[in-house]
Amino acid sequence: DVVMTQTPVSLSVSLGGQVSISCRSSQSLVHNNGNTYLSWYLQKPGQSPQLLIYKVSNRFSGISDRFSGSGSGTDFTLKISRVEPDDLGVYYCGQGTQYPRTFGGGTKLELK
Amino acid sequence: EVQLVESGGGLVQPGRSLKLSCLASGFTFSNYGMNWIRQAPGKGLEWVASISSSSSYIYYADTVKGRFTISRDNAKNTLYLQMTSLRSEDTALYYCARIGTFFDYWGQGVMVTVSS
Repeated sequence: DVVMTQTPVSLSVSLGGQVSISCRSSQSLVHNNGNTYLSWYLQKPGQSPQLLIYKVSNRFSGISDRFSGSGSGTDFTLKISRVEPDDLGVYYCGQGTQYPRTFGGGTKLELK
Repeated sequence: EVQLVESGGGLVQPGRSLKLSCLASGFTFSNYGMNWIRQAPGKGLEWVASISSSSSYIYYADTVKGRFTISRDNAKNTLYLQMTSLRSEDTALYYCARIGTFFDYWGQGVMVTVSS
């Protein structure tokens, strides 16, 4: 199984600041079809997870350009700029290249 | 608007069965793969099972293989998860989610509690 490792586990940020979350996979996430199925999700308190980024760097519909994804192979990063109160919650990375699908353990973003 | 609404959860004794449903609307259900993902209280996300649009391809997590069955009825726009031989470690909020290589829409979740 592909193990997804997220760091840090928690992050404190000031409103308006910028943060980065790292996600590493135990195997390359490049699919046989050439796509890399690494996605990012935000779970706000008491809500279902919502998709932010898919295939490494593609923002989902309605997602602010303050969110950006990058990386390749086994190393990926989510950057959030100009942090707003609505950005707080737990961020998960996930891989869709192999079965079983797996997620990182989550990164909790809190206000400093 | 895409909507996924789960139902069928509740409190069940260990060893018993339960069937979850997910009613989809706002998109052509028969064109999309669907999934069940769960989240134990205070824990992270765990993928449970996936089914392709025509039910030709089905995959399970090892933790539920042989006990859970994912299925769908495209005429009813509904996804199912039949859960048997339930264990305490199956206690979780169960989400249905669309697609599979990534999960673009999620339901609100349905709680399953396995306890005597």
